[in-house]
Amino acid sequence: AAGVIQSPRHLIKEKRETATLKCYPIPRHDTVYWYQQGPGQDPQFLISFYEKMQSDKGSIPDRFSAQQFSDYHSELNMSSLELGDSALYFCASSLGAGTGNEKLFFGSGTQLSVL
Amino acid sequence: GENVEQHPSTLSVQEGDSAVIKCTYSDSASNYFPWYKQELGKRPQLIIDIRSNVGEKKDQRIAVTLNKTAKHFSLHITETQPEDSAVYFCAASMSPGPILESYNNNDMRFGAGTRLTVKP
Repeated sequence: AAGVIQSPRHLIKEKRETATLKCYPIPRHDTVYWYQQGPGQDPQFLISFYEKMQSDKGSIPDRFSAQQFSDYHSELNMSSLELGDSALYFCASSLGAGTGNEKLFFGSGTQLSVL
Repeated sequence: GENVEQHPSTLSVQEGDSAVIKCTYSDSASNYFPWYKQELGKRPQLIIDIRSNVGEKKDQRIAVTLNKTAKHFSLHITETQPEDSAVYFCAASMSPGPILESYNNNDMRFGAGTRLTVKP
């Protein structure tokens, strides 16, 4: 069965550069979530989209932005990168029908290293 | 608490016509609105839902619209067919979203239902 696909798997950037992470949800899933996990830390919820519109917003910095496209894939854009942005970025997808307890399917993550 | 009102209680249409069922809710914090269809002798089935960040959602012949300001949402069925005959329930709840924490506040309030009859 198809799973959540994230690209790239690894990304190395320098300070003040920009980065774009991509997430392709499971077919028919209409909701995408982004999480950031720093070294030795719990995943932190960044932002989510439902039917191409922002549905929830967590601890996403103003330097980051995201969107969900008509084919339901999502991109996380990160500008003015800082050393502290080095982390594993997870994307997850789910079906919108539910009561807030939808089952999330996670991708393998993108490891971002800022030098 | 949340109070959901549904109108009409019964609706009869000719095959091919459109049917509209309306619901109002009282709690402005409600952000998730599902619609269920219950055929005779069967369990209610979720047919479509909408969250408060969108105003309209379509799925083939059914659509749901939401007016957050007026606190009402509607189910629209186009090109009705005899198999659309059933009781339809609307509902409203406050969905916290799938953040990695658990919540215990998913109380869902239902409308009283609308019996839709589609005449061949």
